[in-house]
Amino acid sequence: AQSVTQPDIHITVSEGASLELRCNYSYGATPYLFWYVQSPGQGLQLLQKYFSGDTLVQGIKGFEAEFKRSQSSFNLRKPSVHWSDAAEYFCAVAPNSGYSTLTFGKGTMLLVSP
Amino acid sequence: DAGVTQSPTHLIKTRGQQVTLRCSPKSGHDTVSWYQQALGQGPQFIFQYYEEEERQRGNFPDRFSGHQFPNYSSELNVNALLLGDSALYLCASSFLGSTSNTEAFFGQGTRLTVV
Repeated sequence: AQSVTQPDIHITVSEGASLELRCNYSYGATPYLFWYVQSPGQGLQLLQKYFSGDTLVQGIKGFEAEFKRSQSSFNLRKPSVHWSDAAEYFCAVAPNSGYSTLTFGKGTMLLVSP
Repeated sequence: DAGVTQSPTHLIKTRGQQVTLRCSPKSGHDTVSWYQQALGQGPQFIFQYYEEEERQRGNFPDRFSGHQFPNYSSELNVNALLLGDSALYLCASSFLGSTSNTEAFFGQGTRLTVV
């Protein structure tokens, strides 16, 4: 069965500093990969998606993510964090045999300090 | 485009009662999936509906059931509510159609509290 590990429960970053959120997955083949962001009491907004091709993908809000097959990782990065980026971030995988269901990690809460 | 809409936004029920949650998918989408997100956890897949049939199901008991209507909207029903059913219930829609390169759009969720 597929699984997603986000090793950091909380991360605190100073405003303007760079950010990297880690995600490792366990799956028999290369799955579809996603990053979602959730503000308190809200639903999930898609930040990044990877289906195939270039391993460095650009998303919305200045985020990028890098897929590394050898490490089974899909880490999310941003060069300069803004206070509005404070939220919970979820990494998710889905089988690549047609859209199916998402398996989520437990999330990483990002706190931004002034 | 209103996106994915869910109703109600908040709900309080008593243990043992039954509840129905509703979801209208994003325009053009034909597939609806339901997820349960307990406090401090990532969402967990409940089931998925396509062409008015349950296509896939996660590890949830039969107390959880659903329906999809001809207009693609969907309901999630939970019977015999337990305290542990308290969670944010998220609906996600997508277009399955003939392509696999789709993404799921989520609604704002329904916060269910069982007392």
